[in-house]
Amino acid sequence: AQSVTQLDSQVPVFEEAPVELRCNYSSSVSVYLFWYVQYPNQGLQLLLKYLSGSTLVKGINGFEAEFNKSQTSFHLRKPSVHISDTAEYFCAVSEPGGTSYGKLTFGQGTILTVHP
Amino acid sequence: GAGVSQSPRYKVAKRGQDVALRCDPISGHVSLFWYQQALGQGPEFLTYFQNEAQLDKSGLPSDRFFAERPEGSVSTLKIQRTQQEDSAVYLCASRDPPSYEQYFGPGTRLTVT
Repeated sequence: AQSVTQLDSQVPVFEEAPVELRCNYSSSVSVYLFWYVQYPNQGLQLLLKYLSGSTLVKGINGFEAEFNKSQTSFHLRKPSVHISDTAEYFCAVSEPGGTSYGKLTFGQGTILTVHP
Repeated sequence: GAGVSQSPRYKVAKRGQDVALRCDPISGHVSLFWYQQALGQGPEFLTYFQNEAQLDKSGLPSDRFFAERPEGSVSTLKIQRTQQEDSAVYLCASRDPPSYEQYFGPGTRLTVT
């Protein structure tokens, strides 16, 4: 079974400051990793994904994440945040193939609040 | 074309009532997922369809929950005899294999009073 832990439930930050949202996972098999963003009263939007290859992946809106297999982490970073980045962020894992057919296991979410 | 749509967006049900939640996936997407998102939590997997076949229903919390996708496109999640603990946002997502990206709808917020 897989599990995802997002280490911070809330992260306040000032505009134009850097931010890191932490995610650790556990799985007995290799996994695919995702970060989604959820704005109020909206569905989830994919920010970025790691399937294979380079461990540093870049996504939309200037976000990037680094896959660290030894530490089973997939932390999300942005060098300079904007007010519009205020939202809830979810880390998720999926097993490639097998019987799970790509279903996602999510962390509990991190609320990012950007202050002016 | 259009993204994933869900209806209704909000549903209030009295305890014991039956409800039906609809999901219209992206046209041509063979994979469809339902997730339940309780307040303050991440989404949790409920069930998965490949075309009209329900291949995984391991996440359905009880036999009061039933999902169908009879023609391989629109899906309905039905909850019988709703209970207060069923209050949550129900999210639908579709995927076009072999891509692993799931596209989510806006969700249906169910409140059981």
